[in-house]
Amino acid sequence: EPEVTQTPSHQVTQMGQEVILRCVPISNHLYFYWYRQILGQKVEFLVSFYNNEISEKSEIFDDQFSVERPDGSNFTLKIRSTKLEDSAMYFCASSEAGQGFQETQYFGPGTRLLVL
Amino acid sequence: GEDVEQSLFLSVREGDSSVINCTYTDSSSTYLYWYKQEPGAGLQLLTYIFSNMDMKQDQRLTVLLNKKDKHLSLRIADTQTGDSAIYFCAEGNYGGSQGNLIFGKGTKLSVKP
Repeated sequence: EPEVTQTPSHQVTQMGQEVILRCVPISNHLYFYWYRQILGQKVEFLVSFYNNEISEKSEIFDDQFSVERPDGSNFTLKIRSTKLEDSAMYFCASSEAGQGFQETQYFGPGTRLLVL
Repeated sequence: GEDVEQSLFLSVREGDSSVINCTYTDSSSTYLYWYKQEPGAGLQLLTYIFSNMDMKQDQRLTVLLNKKDKHLSLRIADTQTGDSAIYFCAEGNYGGSQGNLIFGKGTKLSVKP
C-alpha cells in the first residue's frame, strides 16, 4: 500500500541553525501538508501546498518557515533559524484532492526535531 | 475559533468494548476522522465519516456522529492489547478551500490483559 515517507526520523540541531525536513508524498497525490505536534500538545496545522504554491497557512507558519517541492517527488519544510520552541514532531501529509472524498489526508511517520 | 476536545485517557480490559468520545465546535465540518498513533509511529488513518451520516461501521470499529450535539464517538469492539495507542479525533472543513484538519489532543487507550 502506498505511504507517505519522511526523513530523517530524528534530527538534533543547535538553536539558530537551519533545518530541512523531507517528505515523499503518495505519488498520485496533489495536495501536501505539514503539521507539527509539540510534546503533550495537539497536532497543529502549519501549511498546505498545491500546484507549487502555498494554499493556506497558519499563524505558526511565519517567515522562518518555507516549503518547497524541489522535484516531482519530494516536499520539504525548511526552518531558517531554529528556536528552542520549534522542538516538536513534524508530520507531512498528502491527499489526492482538496475536496470531497479524495481529500482524506494520509500522514507520514513524522520527524522528531530537537533544538538545543 | 474551531476546537476539538477529547478525554485524555481510557483504560479497558481485553475483550471489552472501548468508546472514545470527541466534541467539536465547527458546525460546517465536512468530514470527521479518527487517527491512531502507536508509540513512536505516525498518524494512521483509521476511519472517517461524512457529516451527513450518523453512523459508519468498519469491522470492529463503529463511528457515531450526533451532528446536533457536535459529538463524535469511536467504538472498538473486542478490544485487543494491540489497540493500545493514542486516538485522535479530527475535523475537516472543505467548503471551497483546501482545508486543514483540526485535531483533538488525543485519547490514550490502555488495554489491560
